[in-house]
Amino acid sequence: QKEVEQNSGPLSVPEGAIASLNCTYSDRVSQSFFWYRQYSGKSPELIMSIYSNGDKEDGRFTAQLNKASQYVSLLIRDSQPSDSATYLCAALSGGYNKLIFGAGTRLAVHP
Amino acid sequence: DADVTQTPRNRITKTGKRIMLECSQTKGHDRMYWYRQDPGLGLRLIYYSFDVKDINKGEISDGYSVSRQAQAKFSLSLESAIPNQTALYFCATSDFGGGAAGELFFGEGSRLTVL
Repeated sequence: QKEVEQNSGPLSVPEGAIASLNCTYSDRVSQSFFWYRQYSGKSPELIMSIYSNGDKEDGRFTAQLNKASQYVSLLIRDSQPSDSATYLCAALSGGYNKLIFGAGTRLAVHP
Repeated sequence: DADVTQTPRNRITKTGKRIMLECSQTKGHDRMYWYRQDPGLGLRLIYYSFDVKDINKGEISDGYSVSRQAQAKFSLSLESAIPNQTALYFCATSDFGGGAAGELFFGEGSRLTVL
């Protein structure tokens, strides 16, 4: 099993809907998780981090961590066409020394 | 000016040539990283460095080497480029340890094509 796994998509949602992006992880990573957004042709940028079980909200974004099931989710409420991007799930590995990324999920929000 | 600067931004080269990608940063971070990105594979770690005297291999270091010339400079070299090294390369920095180590600041990327 890869350390961090994501469905590559694309995930297509209508404008205004909730987009749900999922990520699973192995025992080889630490309990620190991050969501990055990457627009086409641009570099990734951090949008959320989560370290504890449960939900963490920031504006329209909610990160969810379930350690028992080893998955991390990102919910985007009221999705906008400007949210169309690739979302990368990442986890710290090697004793908090390096960040390992999943393959990314491409999200398309259509008007 | 960008906090993390990569040069060149685009490069086309031939098989067997030596290539160097350079990265410099003004964020004052000790930690620097080189990743490559391929379609469908996400970002894969090539090398990382915690200071000038500390260099570590990542997931896919074969065929690559690095040099940390100063706290602010971290270069990636391909001694003899091959076509499957065609990819988008990103340099990144982070602050020290814990959760801060997961907050990476990326350069704009260097697109390398090996013919």
